[in-house]
Amino acid sequence: DAGVIQSPRHEVTEMGQEVTLRCKPISGHDYLFWYRQTMMRGLELLIYFNNNVPIDDSGMPEDRFSAKMPNASFSTLKIQPSEPRDSAVYFCASSSQGRGTYEQYFGPGTRLTVT
Amino acid sequence: AQSVAQPEDQVNVAEGNPLTVKCTYSVSGNPYLFWYVQYPNRGLQFLLKYITGDNLVKGSYGFEAEFNKSQTSFHLKKPSALVSDSALYFCAVRETSGTYKYIFGTGTRLKVLA
Repeated sequence: DAGVIQSPRHEVTEMGQEVTLRCKPISGHDYLFWYRQTMMRGLELLIYFNNNVPIDDSGMPEDRFSAKMPNASFSTLKIQPSEPRDSAVYFCASSSQGRGTYEQYFGPGTRLTVT
Repeated sequence: AQSVAQPEDQVNVAEGNPLTVKCTYSVSGNPYLFWYVQYPNRGLQFLLKYITGDNLVKGSYGFEAEFNKSQTSFHLKKPSALVSDSALYFCAVRETSGTYKYIFGTGTRLKVLA
């Protein structure tokens, strides 16, 4: 298996622009998580899905952030409009809790820089 | 509130010496506990977990962790550290109620000195 795939790996954009981050989870996994990592705030859970349904989005910082999971093999995290304080590494992770394993498998991350 | 704590920002150990990275948790019920490692510019990588059963769990790269219910701890250990073990280590707990989300600690940077 190729593992969790994220694209792009790096994104540099100007303040006010729309940013879309993409994630392909491991095939067969029923949970998908979006995290943000910064030096100041550490690793933060933004939102997670179970069987494509959002379960907990309490970590989404503002209405500028939205996430979708249209099918079991694809999810997006969108920021519109982007701001410099959104600069961070964004990770997607998936797990197979339906099979009782519970551990999460992380993608390589997308490093977002908003200027 | 359910939480996990890693009391040390950084741990330094000489190569060949045993290492311990500490983690304590606060959850009601039976916790699901995890350790992850993060190398520079990489995603987090699963090391080991405790769900049920034997309190001593063994994981990847020679790491192990001991679940101690009375002390609510899940410390990560390795008998002989390698320079290549230098990385950022995260402890995590899965909530036992509510939305069952995962709570990660703030991370402990392990530096193994040659």
